[in-house]
Amino acid sequence: NAGVMQNPRHLVRRRGQEARLRCSPMKGHSHVYWYRQLPEEGLKFMVYLQKENIIDESGMPKERFSAEFPKEGPSILRIQQVVRGDSAAYFCASSSRGTPAYNEQFFGPGTRLTVL
Amino acid sequence: AQTVTQSQPEMSVQEAETVTLSCTYDTSENNYYLFWYKQPPSRQMILVIRQEAYKQQNATENRFSVNFQKAAKSFSLKISDSQLGDTAMYFCAFREGAQKLVFGQGTRLTINP
Repeated sequence: NAGVMQNPRHLVRRRGQEARLRCSPMKGHSHVYWYRQLPEEGLKFMVYLQKENIIDESGMPKERFSAEFPKEGPSILRIQQVVRGDSAAYFCASSSRGTPAYNEQFFGPGTRLTVL
Repeated sequence: AQTVTQSQPEMSVQEAETVTLSCTYDTSENNYYLFWYKQPPSRQMILVIRQEAYKQQNATENRFSVNFQKAAKSFSLKISDSQLGDTAMYFCAFREGAQKLVFGQGTRLTINP
């Protein structure tokens, strides 16, 4: 059973370009979470999605950031008009269900975004 | 909002020694879950140990154990017989009902030969 897959592992963009980060959850998992890790910091929650639905986007910046998890295909985190402050590692995690409250989130290897 | 605090930015011990990493958290919830994650240089997040708040017994996983003090909102990680492969960043995390994980700032642990 393959783990959580993220691609690309490294992404370089120039200021003003768009960044698309992909996450394929573990087989059988329908819940996806995105986290951002700035250098020398812990992970910060961004958004929680189920298939075709955004459940909690309280950690998403109001502008330029969007996320989706379509019925078919991977979850996508999209950052428009990137700025240097977007440079970070972006982690995706998946779980098999949302309730009860305990269920383990399995993390992908992360995508390191560098904005020049 | 829930917060998680790790007061030790860095720690260093000799191989085979025991080391304890501190974590405190703030919440008004009664039912929740706590986790310790390890992040080696590869940056992969690896679950080390978890604790359900409704359980009084402290969780253990081989050389890893926790000291969970619910009233004090403290959740420390003890690593016994430390090994070189334990060198990593360690993050304490709190799981609230809405599913998201809230992480502390991390402790950089170095095991010296």
